[in-house]
Amino acid sequence: GENVEQHPSTLSVQEGDSAVIKCTYSDSASNYFPWYKQELGKGPQLIIDIRSNVGEKKDQRIAVTLNKTAKHFSLHITETQPEDSAVYFCAASTYNQGGKLIFGQGTELSVKP
Amino acid sequence: GAVVSQHPSRVICKSGTSVKIECRSLDFQATTMFWYRQFPKQSLMLMATSNEGSKATYEQGVEKDKFLINHASLTLSTLTVTSAHPEDSSFYICSARGPTSSYNEQFFGPGTRLTVL
Repeated sequence: GENVEQHPSTLSVQEGDSAVIKCTYSDSASNYFPWYKQELGKGPQLIIDIRSNVGEKKDQRIAVTLNKTAKHFSLHITETQPEDSAVYFCAASTYNQGGKLIFGQGTELSVKP
Repeated sequence: GAVVSQHPSRVICKSGTSVKIECRSLDFQATTMFWYRQFPKQSLMLMATSNEGSKATYEQGVEKDKFLINHASLTLSTLTVTSAHPEDSSFYICSARGPTSSYNEQFFGPGTRLTVL
């Protein structure tokens, strides 16, 4: 089955700097790659996603890139702010497997003012 | 976006009792709902997938007789933890996918914190 690896496990940046989180997946049939932000004690919130027919997607300060050949995708946050501090999870999904999401291990992002 | 609610948000129970958690899609019909468990400082682990009107599909290692899932309507799924024990204490999160959701987009609930004494 699908396996998703996420790095780094913790990331500390200064306010205004950029943050990059990387994930790799194992199943070449995976075709949907969402990123979630989870604040303490809350459910995951979808912040951006990308489908396998697209190489890059951007939404204001957040962007995601996908390299299908290498089977990895990355989250880029620019101009980080203290409120970006949270745990971020990547996930991968294959539609023909019932749409199950397989999550990465998570990255705890800390943005220092 | 689509809204998913969970009730209760937190529950404390004695060992040996059963606890029911509700997951509702508030503004869309969820043909598929998913139940996850998350331990502190860990990722989300899928427990089971439930489709409206049919039996849930459990992931390997999840006891279906302990974690009863019912998806009786297109807006409600319930998870019952039977004979709960301290090791069942965790953060339980549901998600829902509607019939018009493109690809595999899932909308997550706010989670339920279960503490078993």
